Amino acid sequence: NAGVTQTPKFQVLKTGQSMTLQCAQDMNHEYMSWYRQDPGMGLRLIHYSVGAGITDQGEVPNGYNVSRSTTEDFPLRLLSAAPSQTSVYFCASSPGVRYGYTFGSGTRLTVV
Amino acid sequence: SQELEQSPQSLIVQEGKNLTINCTSSKTLYGLYWYKQKYGEGLIFLMMLQKGGEEKSHEKITAKLDEKKQQSSLHITASQPSHAGIYLCGAVVMFSGGYNKLIFGAGTRLAVHP
Repeated sequence: NAGVTQTPKFQVLKTGQSMTLQCAQDMNHEYMSWYRQDPGMGLRLIHYSVGAGITDQGEVPNGYNVSRSTTEDFPLRLLSAAPSQTSVYFCASSPGVRYGYTFGSGTRLTVV
Repeated sequence: SQELEQSPQSLIVQEGKNLTINCTSSKTLYGLYWYKQKYGEGLIFLMMLQKGGEEKSHEKITAKLDEKKQQSSLHITASQPSHAGIYLCGAVVMFSGGYNKLIFGAGTRLAVHP
């Protein structure tokens, strides 16, 4: 099993550019989430999904869009990148909120 | 997250010493997770606690949940350099809209000196 796969691992964007961070899982998990990690702030929830077609906002959703057309994939879109979005992004999945979450290895994004 | 407070923010201990990390929630807990992160890497699941009074152990790491106080503690016995990293507590809390979400504290950075 590949688990949770995030691509790319590293990305540099210019301010104003858009891009999509990819997240795929092969465990048939219903729950998927996106977090960003900044120094001293732990992980903050951006968006999450409880199944295909169902998404909701987390703690810091502004500037990001998500969609969940399949169980396997949960892409995160940056509409117009800003330096404040420089961070490490983690995707996670779980069969249910009362089970452990499996995390991807992260995407390190720098916006210049 | 402001809903989850972790303490201390950082900890430096000598190898062989015991240590405790605390996590307190301002919201009702539906589950409490502990993860470890090595610097620059992803998160490793340690354990999950769901019931008040529950205690779980993984090698030399023990975690307890006090549901009434909405607190959890992570205790490491006889620390080793391999225990170094960032420890994150995560909690399942209810948000508006009716969905439970997993949120995290700011983390505790642990360094273990030989």
